[in-house]
Amino acid sequence: EAEVAQSPRYKITEKSQAVAFWCDPISGHATLYWYRQILGQGPELLVQFQDESVVDDSQLPKDRFSAERLKGVDSTLKIQPAELGDSAMYLCASSLAGRGLADNEQFFGPGTRLTVL
Amino acid sequence: AQSVTQLGSHVSVSEGALVLLRCNYSSSVPPYLFWYVQYPNQGLQLLLKYTSAATLVKGINGFEAEFKKSETSFHLTKPSAHMSDAAEYFCAVSGGFGNEKLTFGTGTRLTIIP
Repeated sequence: EAEVAQSPRYKITEKSQAVAFWCDPISGHATLYWYRQILGQGPELLVQFQDESVVDDSQLPKDRFSAERLKGVDSTLKIQPAELGDSAMYLCASSLAGRGLADNEQFFGPGTRLTVL
Repeated sequence: AQSVTQLGSHVSVSEGALVLLRCNYSSSVPPYLFWYVQYPNQGLQLLLKYTSAATLVKGINGFEAEFKKSETSFHLTKPSAHMSDAAEYFCAVSGGFGNEKLTFGTGTRLTIIP
């Protein structure tokens, strides 16, 4: 069964350092999402891509966060510099949305747990 | 805009007892509603979804949910709890086609008492 891949699974860094997370969506999925999940809360959307274009990045802290999906397939989320408050689980999801389908079921990867010291 | 409210951040039930997790939604358009389950240090797995077809939706692992427009609710139930059901459960809403962004509730942690 096809799955969303993410790496690394765990990352520990010191504040002010740069970190990067990688996501490989299910093959053929046009839409890719990055969510941040703070401990004890539900996931919140950071950025949504339709193929290689950003559809929604209204909740992305653009002074320190950046995301790209250059070829419309895999994606990278970067934080520079990391702050203590960035400690969270970063989840990637993908869906077929955007291919003329109303079914927008999102499939989630295992996540990257970031700890900023 | 859409939002969901999950009533009860923690729910405990005895093994074999009924599971009821509550979710109320707010949406300016006909909603698409979802329940996801999350095990520790893992991603989210879809349990079931409502996409304007049948109001009673059956999902995986014996779970089901009923969409009640008059009550703006989408509560999750399972007739008989199993130890393996212990996890965090999230209700989510989207606006469907062209508005696929998921808005999640704050989650309900389900504990099963042996």
